[in-house]
Amino acid sequence: EAGVAQSPRYKIIEKRQSVAFWCNPISGHATLYWYQQILGQGPKLLIQFQNNGVVDDSQLPKDRFSAERLKGVDSTLKIQPAKLEDSAVYLCASSSWTGGPEAFFGQGTRLTVV
Amino acid sequence: AQTVTQSQPEMSVQEAETVTLSCTYDTSESDYYLFWYKQPPSRQMILVIRQEAYKQQNATENRFSVNFQKAAKSFSLKISDSQLGDAAMYFCAYSDNNDMRFGAGTRLTVKP
Repeated sequence: EAGVAQSPRYKIIEKRQSVAFWCNPISGHATLYWYQQILGQGPKLLIQFQNNGVVDDSQLPKDRFSAERLKGVDSTLKIQPAKLEDSAVYLCASSSWTGGPEAFFGQGTRLTVV
Repeated sequence: AQTVTQSQPEMSVQEAETVTLSCTYDTSESDYYLFWYKQPPSRQMILVIRQEAYKQQNATENRFSVNFQKAAKSFSLKISDSQLGDAAMYFCAYSDNNDMRFGAGTRLTVKP
């Protein structure tokens, strides 16, 4: 079974530029999460999808962050414009249903904003 | 909102010894799941062990076991016969029908 795929692995951008991350969850997993993990901290939930609907985006900075999950499969997280404090690892995870089995994680994208 | 607290930023253990990592959580739900994840320097989050709240029996996976105290909202991880490969960040996580939340993590060092 293929795992959660994320790209790119690393990205360096200047502040005020835009960036996009891509995630392909495990086949058949209805729930998809995006987390932000700042160095030395635990993952912070940004947005959770159930199929292509948003379940929770209460911690997503909507003035600069956006996410979509077209057709309930792949997902894209975008930051526009980026700030220095957005430097972090962005983790994508999927599970077969909300609150059920464990979430499976991708390897993450390390974003550095300079 | 549900919160997960890990009060030990760092822990150290001698190889082959036993170590216990602490976690407490806050929730008003009666049905939920608890997890321990391991994150090595490669940053891939790996599930270590899972506990369903409705189960009274503590989960066990080889050298890893939990002490789940539902009334106290406590969920500690015990690692027996620690190995060098156990060195990593360990995150406690809570999940219910709403979302999945993580603690701040405990960095485990294993001394040879």
